[in-house]
Amino acid sequence: GENVEQHPSTLSVQEGDSAVIKCTYSDSASNYFPWYKQELGKRPQLIIDIRSNVGEKKDQRIAVTLNKTAKHFSLHITETQPEDSAVYFCAQRPHNQFYFGTGTSLTVIP
Amino acid sequence: NAGVTQTPKFQVLKTGQSMTLQCAQDMNHNSMYWYRQDPGMGLRLIYYSASEGTTDKGEVPNGYNVSRLNKREFSLRLESAAPSQTSVYFCASRPGVNTEAFFGQGTRLTVV
Repeated sequence: GENVEQHPSTLSVQEGDSAVIKCTYSDSASNYFPWYKQELGKRPQLIIDIRSNVGEKKDQRIAVTLNKTAKHFSLHITETQPEDSAVYFCAQRPHNQFYFGTGTSLTVIP
Repeated sequence: NAGVTQTPKFQVLKTGQSMTLQCAQDMNHNSMYWYRQDPGMGLRLIYYSASEGTTDKGEVPNGYNVSRLNKREFSLRLESAAPSQTSVYFCASRPGVNTEAFFGQGTRLTVV
């Protein structure tokens, strides 16, 4: 999506390892940074989000970190499980629009 | 509370035909969006409506039109379908600017 770069596009990890996905944005006025998970054939669903007044947020095995100076935010999944296999999207909200990154296909190998 | 509902779920069109994709949300959200999803391209914004009565172009608006009929409904129209418009279309809504977006189940459109 416009102004949002997401890397890597594909990621394979062994079950139990950690996975990290990174997004870089350009609009310095952005203050809301969500991550969505999309399982095959289903709709995207929010898994975690962060606002610019904090640098990190955790929810069990999932965490998001934000570096406003460098304009990037990352999704961290620890102790990965096969059910974590999906496509993950970051998003950015410049003004009233809502743009998504190009997605990361995560495969967790049992 | 059904959330965001899209119709139809599947559609096959011939080149040059027209159709309207319907989207309705029952969460009293202000903002609504239309995206298309193609392999390797992620979700690309077609049009959005920040509030009832307003619509604006996104990244890929060519070949599409939209109508924000009321606060609940936001439709996407293809006036003359082309094979390049074969895609999965998602409607989404949000209550406000720094809030979660909720998606419909998607419409798989094939143009032959």
